[in-house]
Amino acid sequence: EAGVTQFPSHSVIEKGQTVTLRCDPISGHDNLYWYRRVMGKEIKFLLHFVKESKQDESGMPNNRFLAERTGGTYSTLKVQPAELEDSGVYFCASSQDPGLATYNEQFFGPGTRLTVL
Amino acid sequence: AQTVTQSQPEMSVQEAETVTLSCTYDTSESDYYLFWYKQPPSRQMILVIRQEAYKQQNATENRFSVNFQKAAKSFSLKISDSQLGDAAMYFCAYRSTFYGGATNKLIFGTGTLLAVQP
Repeated sequence: EAGVTQFPSHSVIEKGQTVTLRCDPISGHDNLYWYRRVMGKEIKFLLHFVKESKQDESGMPNNRFLAERTGGTYSTLKVQPAELEDSGVYFCASSQDPGLATYNEQFFGPGTRLTVL
Repeated sequence: AQTVTQSQPEMSVQEAETVTLSCTYDTSESDYYLFWYKQPPSRQMILVIRQEAYKQQNATENRFSVNFQKAAKSFSLKISDSQLGDAAMYFCAYRSTFYGGATNKLIFGTGTLLAVQP
């Protein structure tokens, strides 16, 4: 079974440009999460999709960030226009619907390293 | 709001020795999960061990074990018989229990970079 995949693995752009990150969750996982780690700091939650709906987007830093999840499958995270402080590693994770269980493990992708110059 | 603190940015251990990574957290909730994740260089993060707050018994997974002190809000990870493959960034994380409709977001610490010396 394929794990969570992210594309690209690295992206270097200039301030003011647009970048789109993609995440493909594990097949059948309804829950999809985006996180970000800025250099040397903690990994911070950005948002959570359940299928195609945004369950929680409380971690999105500002309106330059737009996340979508088309048809409840893959997700994209667009940064427009990019600023220097957006540099970091963007992680995607997915998990199954827990149903009656209270625990469902989040499986992480390898991350996209974004550098804004 | 919940917070997770890892006070050791870097640690080093000799192969075959034991090392303990520290983690403290703050929460007003009585039930929650705590995790240790491992991220090897250039590879994806994987779950090492999980602890449910309502369980008094410390979780163990082979060479990995935790010391969970709920009253002290402390959750340390012990790696026994360290191996070269244990070298990685280790993140401590917290998650509220799921009560239908609530988010499952993880709250992470800043990580501890573990080096294993041959």
